[in-house]
Amino acid sequence: EVQLVESGGGLVKPGGSLRLSCVVSGFTLSEAWMSWVRQAPGKGLEWVGRIKSKNDGGTTDFAAPAEGRFTISRDDPKNTLYLQMDSLKTEDTAVYYCAHYGDAEYFLHWGQGTLVPVSS
Amino acid sequence: QSALTQPPSASGSPGQSVTISCTGTSSDVGGYNYVSWYQQHPGKAPKLMIYEVSKRPSGVPDRFSGSKSGNTASLTVSGLQAEDEADYHCSSYAGSNNPVVFGGGTKLTVL
Repeated sequence: EVQLVESGGGLVKPGGSLRLSCVVSGFTLSEAWMSWVRQAPGKGLEWVGRIKSKNDGGTTDFAAPAEGRFTISRDDPKNTLYLQMDSLKTEDTAVYYCAHYGDAEYFLHWGQGTLVPVSS
Repeated sequence: QSALTQPPSASGSPGQSVTISCTGTSSDVGGYNYVSWYQQHPGKAPKLMIYEVSKRPSGVPDRFSGSKSGNTASLTVSGLQAEDEADYHCSSYAGSNNPVVFGGGTKLTVL
């Protein structure tokens, strides 16, 4: 059974940093394409960024609001995906989900999400 | 403002059919057959319902179907049931520079 479990959310001040984790099981993280998707309170889903599988180069892509401030990495032996968020803004307030790609451009599995409020 | 346009709400009575639209451009919905739909109950994670426009993952009832015409994709829920009441989000591939775009979500109410 595939599982994704996020952690690391919590209140952070504007300008601060936070690192989210997503522990996965049921598949091999190094072979997977993974994304982070966020949802502001009462709003729709917003793609944050992704990391490709090791075989596909392990490179990352980001949406414009995250580019230059967020970093995605992974620790394959620990089956853990990370989202490092720096220079946080109030508009980054959201529930952050990690998501596992299927065999094409869609998200087959999702974590339960972790809330990141950014407020002074 | 979301890249894809969905109606904020939709509704239908039990047993009826309802269709939710998702309008994009030729750079996303119209340009690729990579439209997906996700169901989200309050406080829960999204769940994949449709991928690649019209394919259903294992376990998703065949009451859910997807289609696309030009720059607009659609999700149809037939034989509405109470448990179908949820938010539905569409998504599309939009090219290598901005791979994933979402709609704003549609709240489906079963009357």
